[in-house]
Amino acid sequence: QKEVEQNSGPLSVPEGAIASLNCTYSDRGSQSFFWYRQYSGKSPELIMSIYSNGDKEDGRFTAQLNKASQYVSLLIRDSQPSDSATYLCAVIGAGSYQLTFGKGTKLSVIP
Amino acid sequence: DTAVSQTPKYLVTQMGNDKSIKCEQNLGHDTMYWYKQDSKKFLKIMFSYNNKELIINETVPNRFSPKSPDKAHLNLHINSLELGDSAVYFCASSPRDRATEAFFGQGTRLTVV
Repeated sequence: QKEVEQNSGPLSVPEGAIASLNCTYSDRGSQSFFWYRQYSGKSPELIMSIYSNGDKEDGRFTAQLNKASQYVSLLIRDSQPSDSATYLCAVIGAGSYQLTFGKGTKLSVIP
Repeated sequence: DTAVSQTPKYLVTQMGNDKSIKCEQNLGHDTMYWYKQDSKKFLKIMFSYNNKELIINETVPNRFSPKSPDKAHLNLHINSLELGDSAVYFCASSPRDRATEAFFGQGTRLTVV
């Protein structure tokens, strides 16, 4: 059973702080990793993808991948109230076609 | 232009009815999916189609039947609706059939009463 684990939160951070979201996965052969953002009542929206170990930066977002530890994280710098949403970690396992999602971490950025 | 569109956005129906949800994508993607998001917000894949062929059929009740008339459309038909079918159903598509991200439609909130 391939699993993706996330702390459900809620995670509360003050405006301007760094929000750190974490995810672990069970399939060691997984090759593709994604972070989706989902606002309440809306559909998931892809914000980051990462395929190799290390950091990948895009604006205020940084994804970090450590395949040896089976761990992927998302850092949001200078957090804004508009970042308040549920963040879903998703993984495509070895030889798989499908995304397996974690249950999401709810982030609240306090003005 | 909407990339992945679903209709209807809201669907309220009685137990035992049969209903369909339609999905269309104009991204030229080869693969389309149906996901179910339950009340706890857990998003789980139901079906995947690649170029009109079913490539994943997770353990969903056979009351759920996907239909893909062409690679731009993937509809979901549900027979004999039950209370437990109440959820948000998302259609999604991706440009390749593996190792890639999915783009989601706006979702259909199904309520069975």
